[in-house]
Amino acid sequence: AQSVTQPDIHITVSEGASLELRCNYSYGATPYLFWYVQSPGQGLQLLLKYFSGDTLVQGIKGFEAEFKRSQSSFNLRKPSVHWSDAAEYFCAVAPNNAGNMLTFGGGTRLMVKP
Amino acid sequence: DVKVTQSSRYLVKRTGEKVFLECVQDMDHENMFWYRQDPGLGLRLIYFSYDVKMKEKGDIPEGYSVSREKKERFSLILESASTNQTSMYLCASSLFRGGKKRLHYGYTFGSGTRLTVV
Repeated sequence: AQSVTQPDIHITVSEGASLELRCNYSYGATPYLFWYVQSPGQGLQLLLKYFSGDTLVQGIKGFEAEFKRSQSSFNLRKPSVHWSDAAEYFCAVAPNNAGNMLTFGGGTRLMVKP
Repeated sequence: DVKVTQSSRYLVKRTGEKVFLECVQDMDHENMFWYRQDPGLGLRLIYFSYDVKMKEKGDIPEGYSVSREKKERFSLILESASTNQTSMYLCASSLFRGGKKRLHYGYTFGSGTRLTVV
């Protein structure tokens, strides 16, 4: 069965510093890949998605993610973090050859220091 | 943009009450989902539906039922609310196309309903 791992439960960065959130998946073929953000008390908002093609994907709010097939990873990055980026981030995958279900990672909570 | 609307942001119900959580989407999506979210447990799928009147159990269906009488509406029902059902409930919908030109657009989530059972 496919799985999604976000190794870091909590991450704290200083405002203005760069950010990388890790996501690894376990699946036989390249799946569809997604990153979502959840602000406190809110639902999940789609940041970006990867289907195929260019392995560096741009999303909203200045985020990007890079798909690395050899590492089965889809890490989320931002060059300079803003205090408003404090939230929980979820990586998700869907198989590319059957079905519609997303499998979510456990989430990474980002805290931003002033 | 697709909108998924959950009828209540906050609900407080008493133990034993029958509780209805409503979710409506406005973009003709075939697929709809109900999740609950608890600290340290991530998102857990309760039920999902691929079409009107169709429903499938997710990972934690016990104590819940669902109804999908119209394509745009997916209701989650707590038959007899208990304190261990205190949680954040998230509804989502998705557009999925199978076949040769398979496309997955991800899920669109509602803002969530925080349910407290006392």
